[in-house]
Amino acid sequence: QQPVQSPQAVILREGEDAVINCSSSKALYSVHWYRQKHGEAPVFLMILLKGGEQKGHDKISASFNEKKQQSSLYLTASQLSYSGTYFCGTELAAGNKLTFGGGTRVLVKP
Amino acid sequence: GAVVSQHPSRVICKSGTSVKIECRSLDFQATTMFWYRQFPKQSLMLMATSNEGSKATYEQGVEKDKFLINHASLTLSTLTVTSAHPEDSSFYICSARGTAFKNSPLHFGNGTRLTVT
Repeated sequence: QQPVQSPQAVILREGEDAVINCSSSKALYSVHWYRQKHGEAPVFLMILLKGGEQKGHDKISASFNEKKQQSSLYLTASQLSYSGTYFCGTELAAGNKLTFGGGTRVLVKP
Repeated sequence: GAVVSQHPSRVICKSGTSVKIECRSLDFQATTMFWYRQFPKQSLMLMATSNEGSKATYEQGVEKDKFLINHASLTLSTLTVTSAHPEDSSFYICSARGTAFKNSPLHFGNGTRLTVT
């Protein structure tokens, strides 16, 4: 079952912050976050394993609340390069297939 | 870092013909590769899981006789769209994980944009 992402889209000014949420109805082993630019393949950002991990990638960080089966991606002090569509991918067991959410389109304006 | 190469990047074919897409892991072995399809402004939908040396596992609603998958080696998986029709036009992306890394991310190929006329 596909995880649910929110919001569907967000428009930011450069330097502003945003949060993207990903929730699942099933118990998760891990959550992956990817960013996709138009016409390109998704690029890996980070993976969070159960255990309440928080990860960071430059000024992009994420958390995973395994009790709520939710993960959040935090865009801090956004840059123009952060524009793109962000997808969370959820995994039910180690090495299992990845099911992606509907995506969140992020546009960062100058 | 791990690299996945996908070829061709773009293909235009006539309705009724078949198209083969190749996916190679260049610097790691991949016992499992995943094939996704993405329509414009939509999510990545898993079509099938390709297992080296065995039959692929297809997701519900994906016709296995139409989308033939072959994973003959640890570095190559192919997807053949048989008797393509305009509704098969889409962005097809393969991905793979290194066999040695349990919690490794998926590495994606650059995708193949298929247009069926």
